[in-house]
Order: sequence, then structure tokens, then C-alpha cells
Amino acid sequence: GDSVTQMEGPVTLSEEAFLTINCTYTATGYPSLFWYVQYPGEGLQLLLKATKADDKGSNKGFEATYRKETTSFHLEKGSVQVSDSAVYFCALTLDNYGQNFVFGPGTRLSVLP
Amino acid sequence: GAVVSQHPSRVICKSGTSVKIECRSLDFQATTMFWYRQFPKQSLMLMATSNEGSKATYEQGVEKDKFLINHASLTLSTLTVTSAHPEDSSFYICSAPGGQETQYFGPGTRLLVL
Repeated sequence: GDSVTQMEGPVTLSEEAFLTINCTYTATGYPSLFWYVQYPGEGLQLLLKATKADDKGSNKGFEATYRKETTSFHLEKGSVQVSDSAVYFCALTLDNYGQNFVFGPGTRLSVLP
Repeated sequence: GAVVSQHPSRVICKSGTSVKIECRSLDFQATTMFWYRQFPKQSLMLMATSNEGSKATYEQGVEKDKFLINHASLTLSTLTVTSAHPEDSSFYICSAPGGQETQYFGPGTRLLVL
């Protein structure tokens, strides 16, 4: 079945450090890929998405490129802030209507001042 | 953007009581909503798909009689945890599809059963 794998956390960085959170997927077709962020005590918020190969999603300084050849969608940010501390979920869907999402296990990021 | 709300945000109840959680789509209609459960430091587990005007579709291993879902209108779905026990304590999150391969998530409801 379809699945998403993320690097295990927690990831602890100092402020202004470079961030990479790896995400790879397995899917039977050509999925759309997402990164969601969950701040403490809150629900998930869409961070960015990409719907086809070589697309780059970006938002709030975060970027991820849809790599079909490596089935990956790694999340990067050049300079993290304390406010970026959260749990990040990689997800995919093969559905055009926003249904049937498959989530990765999540990666907890802690950014220290 | 689209907003999904949940109520209550936090609830504490005694073992054996029932708890109702509401999920509302505030500025769009949702014929389908999803209910997830999230254990501490874990990912979301899809519990069921709520369908307006028809029965909910439950994932394997989720007790239908334990987690009652009602989707009475195009903007409201409710999850009732019946005869709650401490092992039902969790973070419950609802979502609604927003088209363009997107889901909009509610802020979650933290349930603590004593």
C-alpha cells in the first residue's frame, strides 16, 4: 500500500541553523505531496504542497521539491527560528478531492535560542 | 482560507460517561469529514469518514458503537465517545477536504478520561 517515511526525530537545532527533514514515499500512482505542521496543542496546518514531479512548494521560508526519481519530498529551511519548533508531517494523496491522505509519523523539531 | 473549528478544545470527563465533539466547516460546505486520533508523539490515525446524510465509514479496528459519528448537515459532523474509559484519552482531530488535493484540519480536541 501507499506509505510515507520520515526521518526520526526529535531534531534539535540552534536558531539560524539549516534544516532538512527527509521524506520518502511509496505510492501506486503519481501522488500529490504535502508538508503539514502542528504547533503544540493545535491541529495540523498546511505548510506547502507539490502536485507533480519537479514542482517546488514553498512557504514561510520552507521549501520542498517533488523528486519522482528518488520518490522524495525533503523539507528544507535555510535559517530556522525558535518559532519553527513544531511537529512536521509529510503526507501524500492520490485523490483529487482532498481525501484519502496518508501521513508519515511526524518529525519533532526543537529550535533553541 | 477555509476554516474548520472543533468544540470543545479540551474536555475532562469521568469514566463511563459519553462525550460529544463537534466539527464545523465555517465558510464552506463539506459533504465529507474525517476524524483522526492522535496519540502522544505519534502520527494521525484515521478513525472514520463522516458522510453527510449517510452512515459513516469506519477504519478497520475502530469500534462503531464506541465512536458514534453523525453528519447531520453540510457544515457539522459530531463524534461521540460513548462510555468513555481512560484508554480513550487522546487528541481527536477532524478535517474536511477542500478540493485541490487539500484537507483543512480543525484545531483538535484533547480528551482526558479519569
